[in-house]
Amino acid sequence: EVQLVESGGVLVQPGGSLRLSCVASGFTFSTYWMNWVRQAPGKGLEWVANIKQDGSQTYYADSVKGRFTISRDDAKNALNLQMNSLRAEDTAVYFCARVIRSGNTGYHLDYWGQGTLVTVSS
Amino acid sequence: SYELTQAPSVSVSPGQTASITCSGNRLGSKYVCWYQQKPGQSPVLVIYEDKMRPSGIPERFSGSNSGNTATLTISGTQALDEADYFCQAWDSNTVVFGGGTKLTVL
Repeated sequence: EVQLVESGGVLVQPGGSLRLSCVASGFTFSTYWMNWVRQAPGKGLEWVANIKQDGSQTYYADSVKGRFTISRDDAKNALNLQMNSLRAEDTAVYFCARVIRSGNTGYHLDYWGQGTLVTVSS
Repeated sequence: SYELTQAPSVSVSPGQTASITCSGNRLGSKYVCWYQQKPGQSPVLVIYEDKMRPSGIPERFSGSNSGNTATLTISGTQALDEADYFCQAWDSNTVVFGGGTKLTVL
């Protein structure tokens, strides 16, 4: 059974840093692109970042570029998100998700974790 | 940047057909997928590659995509289908979500 379990979400002050982790099980983690998606309270889904199987390619939403860093540790089946210079608008539930890519435009998220809440407030 | 547009809300009577649309420039040239999210839960993939259903998703869920519009259709809508629905596409190395549609079954 595929499982994704996020952790690390806490209350942090504006300007602070935080590291989220997502531990995967039930599949060969190293062979999949992985993704972070967030959802602010009462709002829609917002893509944050993704990372290729070998970590050689990473992409970020403009809203987090230069502040967040996605990484992976295939030996530990872990996906990470280092979040720096946090702002109030980064307050959200952060989900990790497994990516399935097909052809040139196919890209969907077939398994999601339960999410971890990050609150940025003084 | 690429944008996907969804109506904020759609209402349907039980047993009727619900249609939720997602629009974007030349969307028909891209694969679209759909997620269902119920309050307090993680999103669940219900349609991928425009019209494919993942294992475990009921047959009443179907999808199409042509021109500038993708459509998620729920036939014989049930009360348990009440949820938020989000479309998603991939464009220029970024993942794009629609704003979401709240489906009310009443």
